[in-house]
Amino acid sequence: EVQLVESGGGLVQPGRSLRLSCTASGFTFGDYAMSWVRQAPGKGLEWVGFIRSKAYGGTTEYAASVKGRFTISRDDSKSIAYLQMNSLKTEDTAVYYCTRYAAAGHFDYWGQGTLVTVSS
Amino acid sequence: SYVLTQPPSVSVAPGQTARITCGGNNIGSKSVHWYQQKPGQAPVLVVYDDSDRPSGIPERFSGSNSGNTATLTISRVEAGDEADYYCQVWDSSRVVFGGGTKLTVL
Repeated sequence: EVQLVESGGGLVQPGRSLRLSCTASGFTFGDYAMSWVRQAPGKGLEWVGFIRSKAYGGTTEYAASVKGRFTISRDDSKSIAYLQMNSLKTEDTAVYYCTRYAAAGHFDYWGQGTLVTVSS
Repeated sequence: SYVLTQPPSVSVAPGQTARITCGGNNIGSKSVHWYQQKPGQAPVLVVYDDSDRPSGIPERFSGSNSGNTATLTISRVEAGDEADYYCQVWDSSRVVFGGGTKLTVL
C-alpha cells in the first residue's frame, strides 16, 4: 500500500525557516517524481513545486509564488522528500500536501497534509 | 500564465447527473485530471487523462475534454459525492489547478 506521511509543520514567525518531510512507503520511491501542493485555509489547491526522479536528472520546478524561497530535495536511500521553506510569509500559511507524480501528469497519491502557520 | 476556470458551485438532486466544467484556452489539447476533496481530507484522484478512472473509482465518474472546456460528469449522484472538485493540467512545466467547484447534493 502506497503511503505518504508529511511531518515538520507548525507555527513559525514571518521571515523564519521551516523544513517539511514526506516519508514514503509501499513503492520504489526513487522511480517517481514527487511534488508539494498547498491549500490555504478555506481556499483551493495551489501547486508549490516538483522534483523529478534521478533518472530524469532530479531537477526541480517551482511556482512563481515560492521560487527563490522554497527548495525541494529528495533522499532516495531514505524514501524521503523535503520542502525547505525560507523567508516565510503570512500568506504561506496552509496545509502542505506531499504527492506522488504519475507519468501521465497527475498526482495519484496524496499524504494527509501538515499545517504550517506563519504568524507573529 | 495559464488559467483554469471552474464554476464555484453546482447543485444536483440525488440520482441526477452532475456536470462540472473546467474552462481553459484550447484545453482540449491538454490532459485534464480531476480530484475530489471532502472536508478535512486530502484530495483524491477521480479522473486522469481526460477520461480514465483510477482503480476503485466508480464508473459513475467520467470525463471529457474538447475545445476550451473539460467536463467531469457524475452520474446517479449520491450524498457521498458532496465535495469540492478540482481540475488540473500541466502548462509550460508548471502545474495549474482550477479554483474548485463545490458540489452540493440537495
